[in-house]
Amino acid sequence: GAGVSQSPSNKVTEKGKDVELRCDPISGHTALYWYRQSLGQGLEFLIYFQGNSAPDKSGLPSDRFSAERTGGSVSTLTIQRTQQEDSAVYLCASSLAEAETQYFGPGTRLLVL
Amino acid sequence: QKEVEQNSGPLSVPEGAIASLNCTYSDRGSQSFFWYRQYSGKSPELIMFIYSNGDKEDGRFTAQLNKASQYVSLLIRDSQPSDSATYLCAVNGESGAGSYQLTFGKGTKLSVIP
Repeated sequence: GAGVSQSPSNKVTEKGKDVELRCDPISGHTALYWYRQSLGQGLEFLIYFQGNSAPDKSGLPSDRFSAERTGGSVSTLTIQRTQQEDSAVYLCASSLAEAETQYFGPGTRLLVL
Repeated sequence: QKEVEQNSGPLSVPEGAIASLNCTYSDRGSQSFFWYRQYSGKSPELIMFIYSNGDKEDGRFTAQLNKASQYVSLLIRDSQPSDSATYLCAVNGESGAGSYQLTFGKGTKLSVIP
């Protein structure tokens, strides 16, 4: 079946602009996670959804970052007033239920000029 | 603060040899353990998961878990050049905030020399 999909695959933006990153999880997966991977760094947890609610937002780096999930499916990560340090690969993962194996999408490469 | 430690490498092994990748973790409450493979420019791909102490084998891969020592390893037998990648150790456990986020090590870069 189809895996996790993300769009866009690449995004170049200017400092100060807002960006939206989209994640479409594997059908039937109730848990959805956003991670960030900066050059030379490990994967950094951002936010977790169970259904449409986000019980854990502890990884969001600042209030410029927000995310939502609708219909228990698609999620959007929004970064407002982007900064150069936001440049990274943003990865989405989903799992059948919490604590189950997480499967990753191909990621969105964000470059803030 | 949960931590997962891996040697960054690079670890170089000749083709056909056994590659041994190691990982330690700080949180004794961790419940499940994963190895992901990440090729350059690609997203992590699940290799294996293990929940219980001992060994788990899947083809050329064997995961080993020792919860008392807070240690997990991945053995790759008959290493192939196509195994050359960065291997990420990830640990899952209830975070206290009600989620099961993965905590990742920074990865070990493996190079299999033909």
